[in-house]
Amino acid sequence: EDQVTQSPEALRLQEGESSSLNCSYTVSGLRGLFWYRQDPGKGPEFLFTLYSAGEEKEKERLKATLTKKESFLHITAPKPEDSATYLCAVSPLIQGAQKLVFGQGTRLTINP
Amino acid sequence: NAGVTQTPKFQVLKTGQSMTLQCAQDMNHEYMSWYRQDPGMGLRLIHYSVGAGITDQGEVPNGYNVSRSTTEDFPLRLLSAAPSQTSVYFCASSYSAGYYGYTFGSGTRLTVV
Repeated sequence: EDQVTQSPEALRLQEGESSSLNCSYTVSGLRGLFWYRQDPGKGPEFLFTLYSAGEEKEKERLKATLTKKESFLHITAPKPEDSATYLCAVSPLIQGAQKLVFGQGTRLTINP
Repeated sequence: NAGVTQTPKFQVLKTGQSMTLQCAQDMNHEYMSWYRQDPGMGLRLIHYSVGAGITDQGEVPNGYNVSRSTTEDFPLRLLSAAPSQTSVYFCASSYSAGYYGYTFGSGTRLTVV
């Protein structure tokens, strides 16, 4: 069964304190792995797609990396506006491309 | 460019009532999906469409119907609302599902009493 597990469930950091969020996945072949940001009361906002092990993508203070079993979202010198829930999802290769499997998310709080 | 528009934003239904959640996108995306988000459960796929006239079931389709008569619109119908359908519903669209990210709407918060 395709599965995505994110850790930790919640993370509280001080402004400027770098850290990483983890997304472990089990899929029967990976079409793509996605990271989204979700603010309270809003829909998820697309951040990155990663397709193969070793791939990295960056956007401002965020960098996503991918291995064969997990992905990391590294947050460097975060600011309070980076506070949000970060969601990881995979698109399994065998299933239809529309069938994204989401993790439960990591709720990130950055204190000023 | 509005992206994905969902209406209503909030809705309270009585058990047994039916209603339609509206979803429209203006990006000419072929792929559209409906998800529900529940605390501790993550987003779960209800139904999806790969183009006008083509729909299929996702992970949790029971109690919901969809149709796709145009590229722009993908309504979700609750046939006979149950308390278990209390959730936040998100519509999403994509240029190429599985390879590009989905654009999500802002959601409909539904409460069934």
